[in-house]
Amino acid sequence: QQPVQSPQAVILREGEDAVINCSSSKALYSVHWYRQKHGEAPVFLMILLKGGEQKGHEKISASFNEKKQQSSLYLTASQLSYSGTYFCGTEGSGNQFYFGTGTSLTVIP
Amino acid sequence: DADVTQTPRNRITKTGKRIMLECSQTKGHDRMYWYRQDPGLGLRLIYYSFDVKDINKGEISDGYSVSRQAQAKFSLSLESAIPNQTALYFCATAGAFTGELFFGEGSRLTVL
Repeated sequence: QQPVQSPQAVILREGEDAVINCSSSKALYSVHWYRQKHGEAPVFLMILLKGGEQKGHEKISASFNEKKQQSSLYLTASQLSYSGTYFCGTEGSGNQFYFGTGTSLTVIP
Repeated sequence: DADVTQTPRNRITKTGKRIMLECSQTKGHDRMYWYRQDPGLGLRLIYYSFDVKDINKGEISDGYSVSRQAQAKFSLSLESAIPNQTALYFCATAGAFTGELFFGEGSRLTVL
């Protein structure tokens, strides 16, 4: 039931863009995105609800394709502070939350 | 003070010992979750609870048990710890409507 994320890791230079994908084999009610810095707890970025619109957070936005049970996180003009591990979290009909395996993002000067 | 507090933050124990990880929250949330994090495997759901009388198994509940003592407290127990339970454990809470999960700072458990 754990969603699948891709890529597993990505290295960017400051100012470059990146896309992180998340897909599930189960019907989804919502998709969450979190970022975790090394040694810290995950921090909420955004939620996309079934039937909802694409959401944004600073220069980070995301989309949710309900029919395909997929979500993508878009990071534009990346900054050094964007480095960390990104997790998608999916919520099914029972309100349980399952997280993906994570995507390690490293932004270099 | 943190909204979601986990104790202990670090624990080293031996195989076969009983261990309890505790989580308390001041956010007034009904939904509480326990996850374990291992390198390359992400966050995996162990147990979750929607209120004191509602406890559910997650994807990796074998070897673990939980207790929801009150709305604000959700404890995770390892009855007889084994080395492959060495991991970073996170407690998280969520409100009924927003869905956003708030995480504790994590409990790092090492089983020798």
